[in-house]
Amino acid sequence: AQSVAQPEDQVNVAEGNPLTVKCTYSVSGNPYLFWYVQYPNRGLQFLLKYITGDNLVKGSYGFEAEFNKSQTSFHLKKPSALVSDSALYFCAVRDDSNYQLIWGAGTKLIIKP
Amino acid sequence: GAGVSQSPSNKVTEKGKDVELRCDPISGHTALYWYRQRLGQGLEFLIYFQGNSAPDKSGLPSDRFSAERTGGSVSTLTIQRTQQEDSAVYLCASSLAHGQGNQPQHFGDGTRLSIL
Repeated sequence: AQSVAQPEDQVNVAEGNPLTVKCTYSVSGNPYLFWYVQYPNRGLQFLLKYITGDNLVKGSYGFEAEFNKSQTSFHLKKPSALVSDSALYFCAVRDDSNYQLIWGAGTKLIIKP
Repeated sequence: GAGVSQSPSNKVTEKGKDVELRCDPISGHTALYWYRQRLGQGLEFLIYFQGNSAPDKSGLPSDRFSAERTGGSVSTLTIQRTQQEDSAVYLCASSLAHGQGNQPQHFGDGTRLSIL
């Protein structure tokens, strides 16, 4: 079955440190992968996507994600965290059967000053 | 407008009442999605419209839920005989043609629905 998992409910990082938010997936075909961010009382904002090409994808607000086919992962990263990065992060993968998105449960990122 | 617009931003109603939630997508976006997000949880797909095609209603949780999209633009999600478990944030998103599913979705800020 196709699925996406975000194994951490919450990630805590000190400001200035690198951050990683994990995502693993399971699809039958080539994966189309997305990261979105949700700030409090707001809708989701698109950060970046992987469709094909370079395994390292760069996105908005200094975020990047690394596609790893052998580990079926698409972890979100940022070299130096900001307090303003504190938010809820969602990973999503395209469902091969209907091209809808399958959403992870979300990871709450807390950046402490 | 520049983004997806949803109204009302907040709605409080009594159990058993009907509610209508509105979504105005980004101009030119032919794909429109409705999701439900319960407190502290992820997104639950409800329904999807693409152009003039029949909508994908596979995510609607019961026959109390329905949606329409008039003229390929504005969409209304209707919940009849609301129940307390319908309390959630209802998010609308739009994108360019659904195509191969590689277009990012652009979200409104949602309608926070509270059923008393």
